[in-house]
Amino acid sequence: KNEVEQSPQNLTAQEGEFITINCSYSVGISALHWLQQHPGGGIVSLFMLSSGKKKHGRLIATINIQEKHSSLHITASHPRDSAVYICAARTTGNQFYFGTGTSLTVIP
Amino acid sequence: DSGVTQTPKHLITATGQRVTLRCSPRSGDLSVYWYQQSLDQGLQFLIQYYNGEERAKGNILERFSAQQFPDLHSELNLSSLELGDSALYFCASGTGNRNYGYTFGSGTRLTVV
Repeated sequence: KNEVEQSPQNLTAQEGEFITINCSYSVGISALHWLQQHPGGGIVSLFMLSSGKKKHGRLIATINIQEKHSSLHITASHPRDSAVYICAARTTGNQFYFGTGTSLTVIP
Repeated sequence: DSGVTQTPKHLITATGQRVTLRCSPRSGDLSVYWYQQSLDQGLQFLIQYYNGEERAKGNILERFSAQQFPDLHSELNLSSLELGDSALYFCASGTGNRNYGYTFGSGTRLTVV
C-alpha cells in the first residue's frame, strides 16, 4: 500500500470549472505539500500545509489532520492550469512520500 | 528563473560510468534536497543536507552519494550507472524552517545508454 494516495489519476475539465484533487496519507506528517509539474518538467511548490487552509490566487489547499486527508481546489480553471499535480507528505522523521500525481487537462 | 540552478540540464552517459550533478541553492537557503523522478517510480526523495550536514536520507542507493560544500552548493554523485538510473534528478532548496516551502531547480535529465 502506498503511503500517499491521490485521486483522480486523470482529470479533464472545461475552462471555468471548479476542480478538486484529493490526497490521502497514512503516515504521521509534519507537513503536506502540493506540487505542480508542467509538461516541460519543471516543478513548482504550490503549498505547504500542516493545518487548516491556504489560498493563493485561484488555488486553495485544505488539510484535515484527523482524517489524514488533503484537497487541492482550483476555482475558475484555465487551460494554463493544465499540469500534473503531486501531493507529498513530509513525515516527522524527515522522509518524503509522494503521490503518483493527478494529470489535469483544462479544455478551452 | 527559480533561483535554484542545476547543471547540467541534460546528460547522456554509458552504463558503468560515473557522473556528478550540481545544484546551487537559492540565495539565503541553507537546505538542499535531492529527488529522483523516473517513469516507473515517480518522484522519490533521495537525501537532504542542511548547512553542510546530512539531515535526512531517503531511497538513495549505495552507488549514489551527495555532499554540500561550505558555499552551500551541493553535488550528487552517481556511480556504476545502470539503465534504470535514467531519470530526471531535481534539487530543491529551502530555509530549513519547516514552516516554509521549497524552490525547485529545473532538473537534470540523465540518460544512461
